[in-house]
Amino acid sequence: EVQLVQSGAEVKKPGESLKISCKGFGYSFTTYWIAWVRQMPGKGLEWMGIIYPGDSDTRYSPSFQGQVTISADESISTAYLQWSSLKASDTAMYYCARHSAPRVGWFDPWGQGTLVTVSS
Amino acid sequence: QSVLTQPPSASGTPGQRVTISCSGSSSNIGSNYVYWYQQLPGTAPTLLIYRNDQRPSGVPDRFSGSKSGTSASLAISGLRSEDETDFYCAAWDDSLSGPVFGGGTKLTVL
Repeated sequence: EVQLVQSGAEVKKPGESLKISCKGFGYSFTTYWIAWVRQMPGKGLEWMGIIYPGDSDTRYSPSFQGQVTISADESISTAYLQWSSLKASDTAMYYCARHSAPRVGWFDPWGQGTLVTVSS
Repeated sequence: QSVLTQPPSASGTPGQRVTISCSGSSSNIGSNYVYWYQQLPGTAPTLLIYRNDQRPSGVPDRFSGSKSGTSASLAISGLRSEDETDFYCAAWDDSLSGPVFGGGTKLTVL
């Protein structure tokens, strides 16, 4: 079964750094893109960026460029989303999803989500 | 403000047919495939329709997608109580060079 398993919920203070993970199971991790999607409380879905673990080709939404860093370690089939200095406005659920191909592909499956809470 | 426009809510009675619209522009829906995702409360989204009108295995044929010009629609026939979830449309946007989502539609089964 193809599955993405994300790391657990995090509670952080403003200004702290954070790295969350998304591990792929049941498929060749290096041959599919991984997308990160944000869902703020009570709001819709926002695409943050994608990475191709095979060669680390990474693309960001203009809204998130410079705000987060997306990376991957193909040796352990894991993608990451990280912040160097969190803000309260980063409080959200973050999903990773397997993406078959930019422009013509879809997101399937999705990870279970990682809830990030940033509060002083 | 989402790039794709969906009605925030829709409703119907059991057994009824309901449609949810998704409006975009020439840079997204007008020139790329449309996808639909379903999100049950408190869970991750799941793929419902891909490439405008294709259903993944396991998705009932009560769900159907269509696209015309810069708009798309999701139709749900034989409405059931378990359809009371959120639905999101999505499409690649050539101007953004990335996917864009609709704001989501909350379906209520009366």
